[in-house]
Amino acid sequence: DTGVSQDPRHKITKRGQNVTFRCDPISEHNRLYWYRQTLGQGPEFLTYFQNEAQLEKSRLLSDRFSAERPKGSFSTLEIQRTEQGDSAMYLCASSLLASNQPQHFGDGTRLSIL
Amino acid sequence: AQKVTQAQTEISVVEKEDVTLDCVYETRDTTYYLFWYKQPPSGELVFLIRRNSFDEQNEISGRYSWNFQKSTSSFNFTITASQVVDSAVYFCALGGSGTYKYIFGTGTRLKVLA
Repeated sequence: DTGVSQDPRHKITKRGQNVTFRCDPISEHNRLYWYRQTLGQGPEFLTYFQNEAQLEKSRLLSDRFSAERPKGSFSTLEIQRTEQGDSAMYLCASSLLASNQPQHFGDGTRLSIL
Repeated sequence: AQKVTQAQTEISVVEKEDVTLDCVYETRDTTYYLFWYKQPPSGELVFLIRRNSFDEQNEISGRYSWNFQKSTSSFNFTITASQVVDSAVYFCALGGSGTYKYIFGTGTRLKVLA
C-alpha cells in the first residue's frame, strides 16, 4: 500500500525564483491537504481539495501561492517570486471523505531560500 | 477560535520510565475530533490516534494510552515503559465539524535516553 508521496524532498532556490512541488495522495483518498511547517512549530493549514475542487484556503496562502489538483489525483503547489520567509517544510496529506477520517501525511518537501 | 496548547516544549526521560504528554484544546464546536501524531527525526508525521468529542472512553494500544477529558478540555498521551525509539516530536491536533483542516499544537519533543 503506497502512502502519500511528495516530490522533491528538498528544494534549494534563490530568492525571487518560482518553485513547484508535487503531491501524490493515497489512491482512494478524495481529500488532499497542504500544510506548512516551520522550525519548532506545528504544521499550519494552507489549503485543501475535495477531488479537483479547492474548498478552503488559509489567509497564509498569499497571492504568490497557488495550488491545483486538476484531475482529482495528484496536486501541485507553486510559489512565485519566493521570499526568505517561504523557507519551510511543505507537507501534503490525504484522507478519505468522512469528516472524522485521519489525514495521512507525506514526508514533506523542505524548501530553502538562499 | 480553535486552539491547541502543548505547554511542554521538551521532555527527557530515561528508558523504561513512563511519560505523559499534555494537550489542552479550545473550540466552540460541539462535534470535534482530536488526534495525536508522531514526527520522528526523519520528518514524516505518523498518525497515532483519533478521538471523537462524543466518545470520552480512554484508549490503550500497547504501551500507548490516551486520556480524554472534556471537562478540562484535555487529551493527554501516556507512554508506558518508554523506549529510545519513542524519541520524536509529538503533536496534538484538533479538527472541527465545519472544516477539514487541523489545528496543531506546537509539539512536545520527547527524548528517551538509554
